[in-house]
Amino acid sequence: EAEVAQSPRYKITEKSQAVAFWCDPISGHATLYWYRQILGQGPELLVQFQDESVVDDSQLPKDRFSAERLKGVDSTLKIQPAELGDSAMYLCASSEDRVGKLFFGSGTQLSVL
Amino acid sequence: GNSVTQMEGPVTLSEEAFLTINCTYTATGYPSLFWYVQYPGEGLQLLLKATKADDKGSNKGFEATYRKETTSFHLEKGSVQVSDSAVYFCALETSGSRLTFGEGTQLTVNP
Repeated sequence: EAEVAQSPRYKITEKSQAVAFWCDPISGHATLYWYRQILGQGPELLVQFQDESVVDDSQLPKDRFSAERLKGVDSTLKIQPAELGDSAMYLCASSEDRVGKLFFGSGTQLSVL
Repeated sequence: GNSVTQMEGPVTLSEEAFLTINCTYTATGYPSLFWYVQYPGEGLQLLLKATKADDKGSNKGFEATYRKETTSFHLEKGSVQVSDSAVYFCALETSGSRLTFGEGTQLTVNP
């Protein structure tokens, strides 16, 4: 069964450093999402792509976060500089038909020290 | 704004017990409603969904009915198994296929 691939699985960094996460959605899925999940809370949408275009980044802290999906396939989420409060699970998801059935990757667990 | 409220957890049950996890929502318009499940070490998976009032979603013995009059979408299962131990998230979808999730409810089923 096709899966959403994410890497790395875990990332430990010091504050002020730059970090990057990678996501490869299920082949053919035009919509890609990045969510942040703080421990004990539900995922919160950071950014949504339709093909290579951003359709919703209203909750993305743009002073330090950036996301791209240059060829409309895989995507990279970057944080620069990282802050202690960025410690969380970063989840990537993709969808084929935009009716709420999202396929999630296993996530990248970020710890900022 | 849109929001989802789930019953506080964690929930601990014995095998074969009846499960209810409450979910209520606030939204403009008529959102679609979902339950997602997250098993340990894995990503979220869609469990079931309902797209309009009075619809019942069901999967793997779990059911939830979209109640517009009470703005609720409670998850139920008649007989839980140890393998059902996971975190369950209620979610709603508004325009643009954006999902808003509840805080999640940790379920532990003991043999």
